[in-house]
Amino acid sequence: AQSVAQPEDQVNVAEGNPLTVKCTYSVSGNPYLFWYVQYPNRGLQFLLKYITGDNLVKGSYGFEAEFNKSQTSFHLKKPSALVSDSALYFCAVRDIAPNNNAGNMLTFGGGTRLMVKP
Amino acid sequence: DTEVTQTPKHLVMGMTNKKSLKCEQHMGHRAMYWYKQKAKKPPELMFVYSYEKLSINESVPSRFSPECPNSSLLNLHLHALQPEDSALYLCASSQDRDGSGRSYEQYFGPGTRLTVT
Repeated sequence: AQSVAQPEDQVNVAEGNPLTVKCTYSVSGNPYLFWYVQYPNRGLQFLLKYITGDNLVKGSYGFEAEFNKSQTSFHLKKPSALVSDSALYFCAVRDIAPNNNAGNMLTFGGGTRLMVKP
Repeated sequence: DTEVTQTPKHLVMGMTNKKSLKCEQHMGHRAMYWYKQKAKKPPELMFVYSYEKLSINESVPSRFSPECPNSSLLNLHLHALQPEDSALYLCASSQDRDGSGRSYEQYFGPGTRLTVT
């Protein structure tokens, strides 16, 4: 089965410093990877995805992620953190549906809470 | 427009009530999803509709009954729920995979916060 792991429950960073939220994956075949952010009492917002192509993927709100096949990782990064980036971040991988007509199923990691302090 | 709307935002219901959650999208997406999310946990997939047909039911109890009246709407009918069903219920939609198997991201609504008393 496809899976992703987020090894850190929480990441603390000072405003203006670079941030990294870690994600590792385990898949059979080519990985299709996603990052989502969730603010309190809100739905998930799509940040970026890796399907194929360049290993460095740029997304919304200044976030980027680096796909590393040898380390099976897809870490989320931002050069300069903002207090408003404080939220819950989920890494996800496309799962293998039992049939071909089942949309794009996702399996989520456990989530990482990012706290950016002024 | 990448908006998925959900109503109501909040719902409190007793264990004998019948209620429905509604979800709508106008992005032309042909796949729609229901998720259940407990606090500080990842979303758990409940149902997947593809081209208005139920394609995935993740062993969800029958007290949850999904319905897809048309390609833009998705309902979740609730009956005889238990207190442990209290959670944030999220709807999402995506383009279905194309012939090459390319995956598309899901767009989520803001959710319905359900409390079962």
